[in-house]
Amino acid sequence: DQQVKQNSPSLSVQEGRISILNCDYTNSMFDYFLWYKKYPAEGPTFLISISSIKDKNEDGRFTVFLNKSAKHLSLHIVPSQPGDSAVYFCAANYGQNFVFGPGTRLSVLP
Amino acid sequence: GAVVSQHPSRVICKSGTSVKIECRSLDFQATTMFWYRQFPKQSLMLMATSNEGSKATYEQGVEKDKFLINHASLTLSTLTVTSAHPEDSSFYICSGVGGQGTTYTFGSGTRLTVV
Repeated sequence: DQQVKQNSPSLSVQEGRISILNCDYTNSMFDYFLWYKKYPAEGPTFLISISSIKDKNEDGRFTVFLNKSAKHLSLHIVPSQPGDSAVYFCAANYGQNFVFGPGTRLSVLP
Repeated sequence: GAVVSQHPSRVICKSGTSVKIECRSLDFQATTMFWYRQFPKQSLMLMATSNEGSKATYEQGVEKDKFLINHASLTLSTLTVTSAHPEDSSFYICSGVGGQGTTYTFGSGTRLTVV
């Protein structure tokens, strides 16, 4: 049973528009959530995170929203740029336990 | 979809012993395997990159003699934590790259506790 789901395997967005990547989790024990970005042939890099005591965290063009009651988080990128084209993974953490989602491939079209 | 099977999912070992973690790509050939370590509330830390048939490339600060990585085949990579100490307790996760970079999948991770 997948504890962390990213139901959209791919997403295409026009440059300058908003990209919204979604992630759902099932385990209410998770108290920290992270987003990673991965370019082809490279390892993933940390992007942004959020603690379960918050519902929003913003860093430049990237904002993560957390809805604990719905067990849902989303990553907003605005404005989207071609360089944002990558695979985005969300991850959920509690204690020493980490679970990663399967990833969403974002393509930002010029 | 592509699957990387990582075992064991959790292990407890005594200080001074060695622990081997395996990652197998089940339905694709992982030409490259990344090994990560993650501490709670911190970002994923890349430890090393291994390409099949060649020596692993370690990130700065990672002891290659302590964290032995073997990538002898396109479907199997192993990380051996030698002479483990309590400070090695952590969550270790691998990821495999294949399909000319189009396939990238995380393993399920291993929680190591050294007592």
